[in-house]
Amino acid sequence: GQNIDQPTEMTATEGAIVQINCTYQTSGFNGLFWYQQHAGEAPTFLSYNVLDGLEEKGRFSSFLSRSKGYSYLLLKELQMKDSASYLCAVCDSNYQLIWGAGTKLIIKP
Amino acid sequence: IAGITQAPTSQILAAGRRMTLRCTQDMRHNAMYWYRQDLGLGLRLIHYSNTAGTTGKGEVPDGYSVSRANTDDFPLTLASAVPSQTSVYFCASSGDPGATDTQYFGPGTRLTVL
Repeated sequence: GQNIDQPTEMTATEGAIVQINCTYQTSGFNGLFWYQQHAGEAPTFLSYNVLDGLEEKGRFSSFLSRSKGYSYLLLKELQMKDSASYLCAVCDSNYQLIWGAGTKLIIKP
Repeated sequence: IAGITQAPTSQILAAGRRMTLRCTQDMRHNAMYWYRQDLGLGLRLIHYSNTAGTTGKGEVPDGYSVSRANTDDFPLTLASAVPSQTSVYFCASSGDPGATDTQYFGPGTRLTVL
């Protein structure tokens, strides 16, 4: 079966750095997405990786290793507004997105 | 303002009733999707449409139907609602089909079936 694994919840301190991991086992791979979802709101796009390596976008970076079936989202200089759920999704061989359950990130002052 | 709208925002429905969730986008996107989101589970694809006039089944299509008569609208119908369909429903769209393009989500519909 297809599977996306992420930690259920993480806690970090304002101003710090946090890394949210995602491992996947899917039938084929056509890219990996990270989305942010604030409570009660819609998911919004953060990043897309299709090749191995690190993609940096401001305070957020996303890393992919296809051989290990692994990705992480790195958030730097954490702000209170970063408190949200972070969703990992993989585009499989049928070009459909398989979603992880999300990681709830709690930022403390 | 460009984007996706969904209606209603929330609804309480008696089991056995028919319900249509509406979704409209004004970005002229080709592809549209319906997901349900349940606590502790990832988003699950119900149905999708790669372009107007075509639809396809996702991971959990049973009990749901869709139509795509034009580019902008993609309604989701529950023919006879059951309590297990209690969920938050998100409509999404992307410029290109195939799920490698960024998907943009509507605000969601919170549905409770009693």
